[in-house]
Amino acid sequence: DAGITQSPRHKVTETGTPVTLRCHQTENHRYMYWYRQDPGHGLRLIHYSYGVKDTDKGEVSDGYSVSRSKTEDFLLTLESATSSQTSVYFCAISESGLAGVWTGELFFGEGSRLTVL
Amino acid sequence: KQEVTQIPAALSVPEGENLVLNCSFTDSAIYNLQWFRQDPGKGLTSLLLIQSSQREQTSGRLNASLDKSSGRSTLYIAASQPGDSATYLCGVCQTGGFKTIFGAGTRLFVKA
Repeated sequence: DAGITQSPRHKVTETGTPVTLRCHQTENHRYMYWYRQDPGHGLRLIHYSYGVKDTDKGEVSDGYSVSRSKTEDFLLTLESATSSQTSVYFCAISESGLAGVWTGELFFGEGSRLTVL
Repeated sequence: KQEVTQIPAALSVPEGENLVLNCSFTDSAIYNLQWFRQDPGKGLTSLLLIQSSQREQTSGRLNASLDKSSGRSTLYIAASQPGDSATYLCGVCQTGGFKTIFGAGTRLFVKA
């Protein structure tokens, strides 16, 4: 159990409203990721973080912003939600192995289902 | 740009059959390859991680192999069971980066 909690798990909102999804981890992992999963597209990387206040863009970052002010929390914000952002959003972490070497192994949260009407 | 393809997209087999799922990638400069299982409405569960220096990994009835030169990985499931029914995804992490790119998955149905 990688200790990842996503909130909210389900959300319905209207076009044009801001939305923030939260990913919380309990084990001090350095790397955190936000993916979205859509039928026909699989999992696509939105943004990722490699440390506090260190973030970078993924494949589908337009319309999304992220923040990481402390190690345990990685926030994904949709500044003005659109119907095309209806999706299931997954947070993931990657951790180091026993010797402290980064293995790149990913562990996922349970997902947040967002519907934009 | 790395592209990951999984074939077949869906597979239905009778219980007890041994089966192979395929994952191919276009850029052989990878750091690792990871196989996941996803049940409907759930998150991804890590099954096996193969580092670029390794050729295979085993866990119980699962065996994953990696051939970087040909850009291919296979997931072998022995003596399949109805509980193995799920979608299986492979993810490839590039050398020099921290990002994992995913295939679209193979949906497996094991009939009792």
